[in-house]
Amino acid sequence: DTEVTQTPKHLVMGMTNKKSLKCEQHMGHRAMYWYKQKAKKPPELMFVYSYEKLSINESVPSRFSPECPNSSLLNLHLHALQPEDSALYLCASSQVVGARDLGNEQFFGPGTRLTVL
Amino acid sequence: EDKVVQSPLSLVVHEGDTVTLNCSYEVTNFRSLLWYKQEKKAPTFLFMLTSSGIEKKSGRLSSILDKKELFSILNITATQTGDSAVYLCAVEGSQTWGKFQFGAGTQVVVTP
Repeated sequence: DTEVTQTPKHLVMGMTNKKSLKCEQHMGHRAMYWYKQKAKKPPELMFVYSYEKLSINESVPSRFSPECPNSSLLNLHLHALQPEDSALYLCASSQVVGARDLGNEQFFGPGTRLTVL
Repeated sequence: EDKVVQSPLSLVVHEGDTVTLNCSYEVTNFRSLLWYKQEKKAPTFLFMLTSSGIEKKSGRLSSILDKKELFSILNITATQTGDSAVYLCAVEGSQTWGKFQFGAGTQVVVTP
């Protein structure tokens, strides 16, 4: 299985709603990532988990709350979002490779298209 | 701060032409450079280049890394309309593991 899956594919929510985005991979990867992508822009890193521990938070507002319940799953909990948070939310995964020369091939899921009304 | 610049920002070519895309970078303790193709969905992984792997080839696509001049080239030969996409490069430095800095992307349009 070389896939990263994300649910839902599309989500429309009001500013007072609470919702969650889900991401799953079964490639044995121990690093998982959340990115936000606005139209015609590159992905922007939000969070990185390594061995189920949060290793990078790119100063993301607290209305976004990540969770990594186990090595295969990554959630993003959403609460009190703003219309400007509407975007494509991408999950990715990779191996955790310590050796500097080896690098980390990072694979993306199909994304969740989020619209905040 | 790490910096990744892609050029050109966009180009239009005819089927059969060769396309050369550039990604230059400034990053502390370079670790890897990744190339992706993005159509109207999530980025699809193409290549990873590192200090120990500076040339990659797959079919009509190839890529090189120039560690001295700090850039990478992605070549697409005999282009097809299916090659139309945004091509993204992302660079990781070993100072902050897992932090990939993306360039703005190059929009490639291949006309029949």
